[in-house]
Amino acid sequence: GQNIDQPTEMTATEGAIVQINCTYQTSGFNGLFWYQQHAGEAPTFLSYNVLDGLEEKGRFSSFLSRSKGYSYLLLKELQMKDSASYLCAPVDSNYQLIWGAGTKLIIKP
Amino acid sequence: DTAVSQTPKYLVTQMGNDKSIKCEQNLGHDTMYWYKQDSKKFLKIMFSYNNKELIINETVPNRFSPKSPDKAHLNLHINSLELGDSAVYFCASSQDQRFPGELFFGEGSRLTVL
Repeated sequence: GQNIDQPTEMTATEGAIVQINCTYQTSGFNGLFWYQQHAGEAPTFLSYNVLDGLEEKGRFSSFLSRSKGYSYLLLKELQMKDSASYLCAPVDSNYQLIWGAGTKLIIKP
Repeated sequence: DTAVSQTPKYLVTQMGNDKSIKCEQNLGHDTMYWYKQDSKKFLKIMFSYNNKELIINETVPNRFSPKSPDKAHLNLHINSLELGDSAVYFCASSQDQRFPGELFFGEGSRLTVL
């Protein structure tokens, strides 16, 4: 079966760094997306990894290890507006995104 | 201009009623989707259309019927609403179903069945 595992909730302090991990098992693999979803809003695209390694985009970076079925999202210089849910979504052999339940990130001053 | 727009944003109705949610995208994308997000926040795909043709039809009660009059529109009609249908329904679009491109989501339609 297909499975996504990420922590349910994490708490971090404004200005700090946080890493949100995601492990996955899918039927085939065509890359992995990270999306951000603020409460009551639609998910918005953060990153897409298809090759192993780290992709950096401003304060956010995403890492992928295909052999380990593992990805993480790294958020630096945390701001209060980063409080949101972060959804890991690998893409299976049918090019369908398989969504995890997301990690709710709480930022404290 | 909103890229993916869906209406209504909020819908409160009684069990047994029939309701529709409309979705339009102005991105020129070929593929559109309906997702359901329940109280546990899982996003579950319900339907996917590519250029007006149904390509994904997950295990969804046949009370749910999508309709795509053209590739820019994908509507969702729900018959005989049940309490368990209460959720947020998101419409989304992507450039092409074969390439795992970025999904663009509408703002969501929060359905509450009483």
